[in-house]
Amino acid sequence: KAGVTQTPRYLIKTRGQQVTLSCSPISGHRSVSWYQQTPGQGLQFLFEYFSETQRNKGNFPGRFSGRQFSNSRSEMNVSTLELGDSALYLCASSEGQGALHEQFFGPGTRLTVL
Amino acid sequence: AQSVTQLGSHVSVSEGALVLLRCNYSSSVPPYLFWYVQYPNQGLQLLLKYTTGATLVKGINGFEAEFKKSETSFHLTKPSAHMSDAAEYFCAVSESWGDKIIFGKGTRLHILP
Repeated sequence: KAGVTQTPRYLIKTRGQQVTLSCSPISGHRSVSWYQQTPGQGLQFLFEYFSETQRNKGNFPGRFSGRQFSNSRSEMNVSTLELGDSALYLCASSEGQGALHEQFFGPGTRLTVL
Repeated sequence: AQSVTQLGSHVSVSEGALVLLRCNYSSSVPPYLFWYVQYPNQGLQLLLKYTTGATLVKGINGFEAEFKKSETSFHLTKPSAHMSDAAEYFCAVSESWGDKIIFGKGTRLHILP
């Protein structure tokens, strides 16, 4: 099976712009989670989608949003970008919702905000 | 709310020496605990997990971790370090099967020749 794919792999934006990141899960996986990884904060949970519904949410402002499509692919959107949004954004897929199902991570999208 | 503290953002060990990466958690209920590894320029990979039952958990690549409730710890060990173990390691916790996973800030393991 193909692994989790994330596009684009690298992205450069300026403050105030918005960005959309895409994640294609492993075939058959119905849950997609998003994380923000920065050197100072490690991995921080953004949200989890299962069957097109947001099931869990982290402590991020409303500028961060996501959605999941019927084929389980997911997108994450960040509006009004700030310098502090520069990070590696990781997507993980699993067969089911929540912690008991092993998460498989993609390579990430490196976002740089100038 | 659950949280994870990893002691030491960088740990260096000599090749062949014991690897010990420390993790303490905070949880209001019996937790589910995880260790993930991230090799350079790659995504995270699950090393091992504790859900219930035996407190000593064995994972891939010779790693193991022991759940100690009295110490709220879940330290990761490997008897003999190999150069290929150089990576960043993340401890994580979840409070229920359907809940999100909360990660620690990570420990970068350096292997000295």
